[in-house]
Amino acid sequence: GQQVQQSPASLVLQEGENAELQCNFSSTATRLQWFYQHPGGRLVSLFYNPSGTKHTGRLTSTTVTNERRSSLHISSSQTTDSGTYFCAPNTGYQNFYFGKGTSLTVIP
Amino acid sequence: NAGVIQTPRHKVTGKGQEATLWCEPISGHSAVFWYRQTIVQGLEFLTYFRNQAPIDDSGMPKERFSAQMPNQSHSTLKIQSTQPQDSAVYLCASSPGQAEVFFGKGTRLTVV
Repeated sequence: GQQVQQSPASLVLQEGENAELQCNFSSTATRLQWFYQHPGGRLVSLFYNPSGTKHTGRLTSTTVTNERRSSLHISSSQTTDSGTYFCAPNTGYQNFYFGKGTSLTVIP
Repeated sequence: NAGVIQTPRHKVTGKGQEATLWCEPISGHSAVFWYRQTIVQGLEFLTYFRNQAPIDDSGMPKERFSAQMPNQSHSTLKIQSTQPQDSAVYLCASSPGQAEVFFGKGTRLTVV
């Protein structure tokens, strides 16, 4: 199955700093999603981004399909951004494999 | 659109008892996924249905776990003879084919 590596495993930022989260995967993916999870909360979809660059608010996702990697950039971080970010690629009609996530803590 | 609905939200069972978890996917979505989340193992894939047919159950512990999707509006995950190591948050997700996946809030199962 798909192997997904996310880095860094954890990250601590001062409020206002930027963050770059990386996702590398072992097999070609035709679908890729980034999710956010607050402790004890639901997995919330941030981006469905199989290729290219997408923006929403302070978040930018860039997926380079042929290099099997994706990144999530958070600009001007806020304390409410704290939580765990997951990357999940898959191919066609297959299940999604999740990385172990990046735990982000933003301190005021 | 109420999203993916999972019931119950919390369930406590005694060791050896049976637990049944329910999932109502988003109307019109053809794919339904079940995952399990623990601190130690993270997010583990269990099983996947497409158009109600089981497609991949490679993540299911075969002896005590079973999943069904009797109609397009709900799926169940049944765990027989529950063990403490089954304690986890069980997540259901649905997708309209080859597109974005949406998750429910999960069922927290505690086996005492």
